[in-house]
Amino acid sequence: DAKTTQPPSMDCAEGRAANLPCNHSTISGNEYVYWYRQIHSQGPQYIIHGLKNNETNEMASLIITEDRKSSTLILPHATLRDTAVYYCIVRGRAAGNKLTFGGGTRVLVKP
Amino acid sequence: NAGVTQTPKFRILKIGQSMTLQCTQDMNHNYMYWYRQDPGMGLKLIYYSVGAGITDKGEVPNGYNVSRSTTEDFPLRLELAAPSQTSVYFCASRETGNQETQYFGPGTRLLVL
Repeated sequence: DAKTTQPPSMDCAEGRAANLPCNHSTISGNEYVYWYRQIHSQGPQYIIHGLKNNETNEMASLIITEDRKSSTLILPHATLRDTAVYYCIVRGRAAGNKLTFGGGTRVLVKP
Repeated sequence: NAGVTQTPKFRILKIGQSMTLQCTQDMNHNYMYWYRQDPGMGLKLIYYSVGAGITDKGEVPNGYNVSRSTTEDFPLRLELAAPSQTSVYFCASRETGNQETQYFGPGTRLLVL
């Protein structure tokens, strides 16, 4: 699996958009970008994933650069309940059956 | 659907005791996983299963055993608890296919003293 690099922490104002970057410069052509988050003391929660096109769902948007070496998760209107650790994970089908959770980005949404 | 459920939520064990962590999913997923998460760290895969009757080791299997007699249940067994097994244990499942979207349970917090 490609290694990912995320900032360790960031703050965001409630009601504003939160933009979470992720670098994955060694990503290969068949690897997807996944985003999960973990709210304190809870199990990780799937947010969104993509291969090369931008994706949007009810939770967030995922913007993947044209060279696929980086991506940005966008929470359009952050709420206090979005305070969590956000994990960017890159993997493909051939990599086995596990998700590798790195350090993630600790996001604090402030009123 | 209840999704993935885990019991108990919290348990204290003495060194050398044994216990079984229960995990059940009602989504008819073939793939199930057990992870552990130590404080401030990411998740590490203990064991996984690709279907009833099939299990395999993950990154950190020592000290644990699993079984998968049904699609729904994937219990994790600790035979001789050690302080190093103090952790939060998460069970997850996913459907068969290309995607890797896993659904996680709420976790079991285990303290071994």
